[in-house]
Amino acid sequence: AQSVTQLDSHVSVSEGTPVLLRCNYSSSYSPSLFWYVQHPNKGLQLLLKYTSAATLVKGINGFEAEFKKSETSFHLTKPSAHMSDAAEYFCVVTHGSGNTGKLIFGQGTTLQVKP
Amino acid sequence: GAVVSQHPSWVICKSGTSVKIECRSLDFQATTMFWYRQFPKQSLMLMATSNEGSKATYEQGVEKDKFLINHASLTLSTLTVTSAHPEDSSFYICSPWEGGRDTDTQYFGPGTRLTVL
Repeated sequence: AQSVTQLDSHVSVSEGTPVLLRCNYSSSYSPSLFWYVQHPNKGLQLLLKYTSAATLVKGINGFEAEFKKSETSFHLTKPSAHMSDAAEYFCVVTHGSGNTGKLIFGQGTTLQVKP
Repeated sequence: GAVVSQHPSWVICKSGTSVKIECRSLDFQATTMFWYRQFPKQSLMLMATSNEGSKATYEQGVEKDKFLINHASLTLSTLTVTSAHPEDSSFYICSPWEGGRDTDTQYFGPGTRLTVL
């Protein structure tokens, strides 16, 4: 079975400092992994994805994530936080084998950025 | 990216009434529609999966008679919450998917916030 665990429900950083949002996954298959961001009252936006190519994945808005199979992790990082980064972030894994379109969402991490 | 619309964006209703939420994929054909529910401060939970022209498949714990899903066309799916109760208050999000696409091109609607009084 597949599952995804976001290790922090809430992360607070100061503007201009690095961001680290942690995610661990469990999958019986070779998973695809994603990070989505959800701003208040807005739809989900894909930040980046890992689909068995390069393990270091670069996304939009300066975010990147590294797939580490040995640690079953897919942590999201950004060198310097902006106020506009304040939002809810979801680590997501594909459900099952094959391409079914079904996704499993982590519990979410709220990122607070302080001025 | 693809455009997905949901209507209404928010709705308030009285307990016992039914509410219909529409989801449209405006520039691609959604052979499959996923409906998610998100309670406040929680993650998205998959409620059901529907394929165009077929009955929906519901996740464990989701009442199929309460959450009626219609996926009659490739661009429109509806979720009807029947006899809504306050515990049904949630954020409902649709996710249309065109079979054969990579999962990384999965799109989501902007969501419908339902408040049942």
